[in-house]
Amino acid sequence: DAKTTQPNSMESNEEEPVHLPCNHSTISGTDYIHWYRQLPSQGPEYVIHGLTSNVNNRMASLAIAEDRKSSTLILHRATLRDAAVYYCIRVSGGYQKVTFGTGTKLQVIP
Amino acid sequence: SQTIHQWPATLVQPVGSPLSLECTVEGTSNPNLYWYRQAAGRGLQLLFYSVGIGQISSEVPQNLSASRPQDRQFILSSKKLLLSDSGFYLCAWSVFPGGYTFGSGTRLTVV
Repeated sequence: DAKTTQPNSMESNEEEPVHLPCNHSTISGTDYIHWYRQLPSQGPEYVIHGLTSNVNNRMASLAIAEDRKSSTLILHRATLRDAAVYYCIRVSGGYQKVTFGTGTKLQVIP
Repeated sequence: SQTIHQWPATLVQPVGSPLSLECTVEGTSNPNLYWYRQAAGRGLQLLFYSVGIGQISSEVPQNLSASRPQDRQFILSSKKLLLSDSGFYLCAWSVFPGGYTFGSGTRLTVV
């Protein structure tokens, strides 16, 4: 199973940027890095994914380290609606057998 | 557009009763399909995944089984539920290298 390591919890003030880290030190060259977030009693929601280059979309930015052993999800301006559990996973080709870890619970303080 | 339907949203079943949860996908062909379970305050545990019709791989030996009778239909079943089967069950699909799309989940309580 492809392992990632994330802090259990983080806090951010509303309207400030948030940097959520993820370590994936055993990543292979063809593994993609995906981020999801989950609100209570809902299924996880896709946020962003990337392979080598940094990626931006309307929800967030993904910064991938040059050696690909870590990545950071960046929320540019945290809102109360961003309070959720954020999961970082590695996705390989083929069967994509992935188990999500416990993620990072983000608390946004008004 | 691509959508995923999962039902029911909540279910209360007595111990020893059977279970059938259904998941259907629209707007994509030959997706990988998954069943996950989430205990309260925990991460997602992969239960089953399927790369094609009739192809099921089990990740955790337990009281549950899965079937994929059609390309975009995935069913989770049990002949006799146990108390430990309670949890939040999520169906998902993916087509590599795209992301996973999850259903809205079924909250199962076994009493």
